[in-house]
Amino acid sequence: AQTVTQSQPEMSVQEAETVTLSCTYDTSESNYYLFWYKQPPSRQMILVIRQEAYKQQNATENRFSVNFQKAAKSFSLKISDSQLGDTAMYFCAFMKGQGGSEKLVFGKGTKLTVNP
Amino acid sequence: KAGVTQTPRYLIKTRGQQVTLSCSPISGHRSVSWYQQTPGQGLQFLFEYFSETQRNKGNFPGRFSGRQFSNSRSEMNVSTLELGDSALYLCASREGSTYNEQFFGPGTRLTVL
Repeated sequence: AQTVTQSQPEMSVQEAETVTLSCTYDTSESNYYLFWYKQPPSRQMILVIRQEAYKQQNATENRFSVNFQKAAKSFSLKISDSQLGDTAMYFCAFMKGQGGSEKLVFGKGTKLTVNP
Repeated sequence: KAGVTQTPRYLIKTRGQQVTLSCSPISGHRSVSWYQQTPGQGLQFLFEYFSETQRNKGNFPGRFSGRQFSNSRSEMNVSTLELGDSALYLCASREGSTYNEQFFGPGTRLTVL
């Protein structure tokens, strides 16, 4: 079974600074996807960024980028120029890449607070 | 397009009762997944429905069940509620034929007293 571990239950960062959230996972699969989801307080969960395991290039989405280390099974999220609106729970998630019926396996989450 | 909607948003029930939660996916999405979110266990997969058929199921007791209708709307039912069923229940939809991004609803907050 796949597991996802987020070792930082809480983090804080000053506005405009950069912060990195850690995620490690365990799987014997060779084809899979990794995701970071953001869940703001009392708001819907939204996808921040995703990475296909077969792609060596790290995914980026505006201020969000990942450091994907496949051999180390590590998938960290870097948020640059942090904004107050980035305050949220961040979940790292894994999905097997067989297509069709595959579930998301989530980590326990990291609560990020951006301070003014 | 309208997003994923879930009703009701909040529910309070007592132990032993049953409850039905509803999820309307994004138009055109045929897959609906349900997740339970609790402070202790985090986010856990309940089941997924695609074209009215359950095609994946998590490790939950048989008290948790679901179904999907021809318009892709889905319901989940929890019978004989226990205190530990108190949670945020999230629904997510996707197009469903192969891997696609999952879009989450706002959730239903269930409190069991």
